[in-house]
Amino acid sequence: SQTIHQWPATLVQPVGSPLSLECTVEGTSNPNLYWYRQAAGRGLQLLFYSIGIDQISSEVPQNLSASRPQDRQFILSSKKLLLSDSGFYLCAWDRGRRETQYFGPGTRLLVL
Amino acid sequence: GQQLNQSPQSMFIQEGEDVSMNCTSSSIFNTWLWYKQDPGEGPVLLIALYKAGELTSNGRLTAQFGTTRKDSFLNISASIPSDVGIYFCAGLKTGNQFYFGTGTSLTVIP
Repeated sequence: SQTIHQWPATLVQPVGSPLSLECTVEGTSNPNLYWYRQAAGRGLQLLFYSIGIDQISSEVPQNLSASRPQDRQFILSSKKLLLSDSGFYLCAWDRGRRETQYFGPGTRLLVL
Repeated sequence: GQQLNQSPQSMFIQEGEDVSMNCTSSSIFNTWLWYKQDPGEGPVLLIALYKAGELTSNGRLTAQFGTTRKDSFLNISASIPSDVGIYFCAGLKTGNQFYFGTGTSLTVIP
């Protein structure tokens, strides 16, 4: 069966510090991968999606970037965090049909 | 941008009551999905609907794909405390455009 992991589960970072959140998927190959941000427990905003290694599309301009160095690994990064980057970050995957999208457990980020 | 409107925004109900929520759009969708998110966790897919008029059940949950293809409904019968969470609709349009609703927060009072 397929599983999706995210770490860390929780992170507190000072403003201006770098960020690296990792997402990995097991039990499948060539998945589409997604990063979402959820503010205040409501609404999901799509940040990035990837259809393959080193193929990243950005949905909204922001202080964040994404990379996919391996087929089942998706990384969300920032060089300098802003207060507004706080939120709940969710990674998701599917097999190319959006209706079968599965979410990871999420990373809660607090920027102080 | 956001194209799905979910209502109600929040609900407070007594255990054992039935729950109804809906998701509407001005656009036509080809697929409707309903997710539930428990506090501090990622959303989990509950029901997927692929055809206008389709009615699908998953235990005490029943969802329907509206005949106009612009809306969908989710009903929960005989609510229990573990039903608490945020319920999201999501829709898929032609061209693989995917949108999430704003969510309905459900609180079940024992």
